[in-house]
Amino acid sequence: QVQLKESGPGLVQPSQTLSLTCTVSGFSLTSNSVHWVRQPPGKGLEWMGGIWGDGSTDYNSALKSRLSISRDTSKSQVFLKMNSLQTDDTAIYFCSDWFAYWGQGTLVTVSS
Amino acid sequence: DIQMTQSPSFLSASVGDRVTINCKASQNINRYLNWYQQKLGEAPKLLIYNANSLQTGIPSRFSGSGSGTDFTLTISSLQPEDVATYFCLQHNSWPPTFGAGTKLELK
Repeated sequence: QVQLKESGPGLVQPSQTLSLTCTVSGFSLTSNSVHWVRQPPGKGLEWMGGIWGDGSTDYNSALKSRLSISRDTSKSQVFLKMNSLQTDDTAIYFCSDWFAYWGQGTLVTVSS
Repeated sequence: DIQMTQSPSFLSASVGDRVTINCKASQNINRYLNWYQQKLGEAPKLLIYNANSLQTGIPSRFSGSGSGTDFTLTISSLQPEDVATYFCLQHNSWPPTFGAGTKLELK
């Protein structure tokens, strides 16, 4: 059974770095991709970036300068790091395989 | 980036009604269009993939149609548990992009 679960801090201060973890089960990270998607309150979904089975990454061009996605295959975990956070980065952050299965999401609030 | 225009934004319908939700792509996306259901506090659930293929375990009252730029999600007979937000995703062109969502409520 494929499962994904996001974890991380609920509150981040402006200008700080966000670190999130997606822990997966039921599939191999070396054979499947994992992607990060976010949803600001009351707004639509935005694909942020992803890491492929071979370890290569792709990023949304609007976020590329601030975003890094990596993984630890031994722990079945994918990591998101985004720096220079601002209030408009407040959102629910989801991880997903190639958009078939999704985690429940984790709310990140950027506020001092 | 391909823009996905979803309509309506809000929909109120009665139990048993036939409901349709539309997504229009700004360019040809062939049939690479998925539909999702999202309930408050839950993970999005894949309903339809590649425009018209029903995901395993999804009730047959859900169906999808379309190709190219125009796509439709149909619920043939609305049930109370279908109250949710629905959104589309195109995965034909990079980057993948989403519709803004349709909030479906019971009348």
